[in-house]
Amino acid sequence: DAGVIQSPRHEVTEMGQEVTLRCKPISGHDYLFWYRQTMMRGLELLIYFNNNVPIDDSGMPEDRFSAKMPNASFSTLKIQPSEPRDSAVYFCASSPIAGVNTGELFFGEGSRLTVL
Amino acid sequence: QKEVEQNSGPLSVPEGAIASLNCTYSDRGSQSFFWYRQYSGKSPELIMFIYSNGDKEDGRFTAQLNKASQYVSLLIRDSQPSDSATYLCAVKAGGYNKLIFGAGTRLAVHP
Repeated sequence: DAGVIQSPRHEVTEMGQEVTLRCKPISGHDYLFWYRQTMMRGLELLIYFNNNVPIDDSGMPEDRFSAKMPNASFSTLKIQPSEPRDSAVYFCASSPIAGVNTGELFFGEGSRLTVL
Repeated sequence: QKEVEQNSGPLSVPEGAIASLNCTYSDRGSQSFFWYRQYSGKSPELIMFIYSNGDKEDGRFTAQLNKASQYVSLLIRDSQPSDSATYLCAVKAGGYNKLIFGAGTRLAVHP
C-alpha cells in the first residue's frame, strides 16, 4: 500500500491567498484526521471524519479554515484567506476502525505551509 | 491547562542509559494512552499503547500508567543514538475516536 499521500509537500504563499491541502487516505480506512503541528502548540487536531462525514471540527481555528471529504479516497483542507500565523506542518492521518482503538494512526508525510 | 502535558526537553542521556519520558493528562475519563515517536522532519509513528494501570513492556520500551495520578510514562532501556527523536504522548478520551497529543519531549542520546 502506498500509505497516506499528501500534497503539496511544501507550499509558500502570500498572506491573503487561498491555500488548499490535499490528502488521499489508505484504502479501506474509515477514519481521516487533519492535524496541524507548530513548535509553539505541538500537534493539534483540527477535524476528523468517519466514513466521509465530519464528526468533530472543534479544533478548526476559525471560519477561514474548512475541510471536506467528498469520497472515501480524498479530502481537502482549505484556508481562505491565509495568514502568517497559519504557517505550520499540516498532517493528514487515516485509520481503520480497529486502529482507532489501538491508537494507530497512519500519518502522511505532511504539508509544510509558509505564509509570508 | 493543556489536556496533555509533557516536558519539552531536551532530555539528554548517554548511550546505554535508561531514558524516562513523562506525561500527565487532565481528563479523568481518558481510557487509552499512546506513545508516538517522531524523527526530525518526519511524521509521527506509534510505538506503544496502554490501557490498564501498571506496566507494559515491548522490547526495550516500557509504558507505565497510573490513572489515579493521571500519569503516563515511557522508559527506554539501553538507549541508542537512533532513539534520538521527539516522543509524543497521546490520549483517547472515552467515547471519542480522536487522539489528543502532547507537545512532545525531545530526546537526545549521545554516544
